[in-house]
Amino acid sequence: KQEVTQIPAALSVPEGENLVLNCSFTDSAIYNLQWFRQDPGKGLTSLLLIQSSQREQTSGRLNASLDKSSGRSTLYIAASQPGDSATYLCACGGSNYKLTFGKGTLLTVNP
Amino acid sequence: DGGITQSPKYLFRKEGQNVTLSCEQNLNHDAMYWYRQDPGQGLRLIYYSQIVNDFQKGDIAEGYSVSREKKESFPLTVTSAQKNPTAFYLCASSSIQMGSGNTIYFGEGSWLTVV
Repeated sequence: KQEVTQIPAALSVPEGENLVLNCSFTDSAIYNLQWFRQDPGKGLTSLLLIQSSQREQTSGRLNASLDKSSGRSTLYIAASQPGDSATYLCACGGSNYKLTFGKGTLLTVNP
Repeated sequence: DGGITQSPKYLFRKEGQNVTLSCEQNLNHDAMYWYRQDPGQGLRLIYYSQIVNDFQKGDIAEGYSVSREKKESFPLTVTSAQKNPTAFYLCASSSIQMGSGNTIYFGEGSWLTVV
């Protein structure tokens, strides 16, 4: 059974800092890995999707990497802003269109 | 605008009652999903459907039921058999080939509280 772990559970940084969020998974037989953002009391917004054959994806100040062999993914946020404050979740896509989610990292960017 | 609409946003259930959460999408997606999120927890899959008139149990289907009579609609019923239904419920959809890398889209969620 796939298990997804996100470290740290919470992170507080000053505005402008570069930061890395970590995601690890136990079963490397994944179809893809996705990173999501969730604002309090809201649904999830997809940020980046990395297919199993890819190593990384970039969107603006966000860069996500995938290392299947070690069961790890990272989300790099450059020049963080207060508007980046949210919970970030990673999810592994497996067979039958199922996603297995981590518990998320709560990010606070202080002005 | 295209998207997923969940209703109601907030719902209160009395003990022994069944309640139904609505989910409608106009993205022309084949696959639809229901997830449950508890505070400080990740999302857990309740049910999913890849095609009209067909659906599959997820990891925590007990106490829940769904139907998929139309492509754009995937309602979730929380039955009285669900012993701990208080949670945040999220509906999602994607094109059928999600396994090959299509993005999944989520609704804004529904809060269910047992009173």
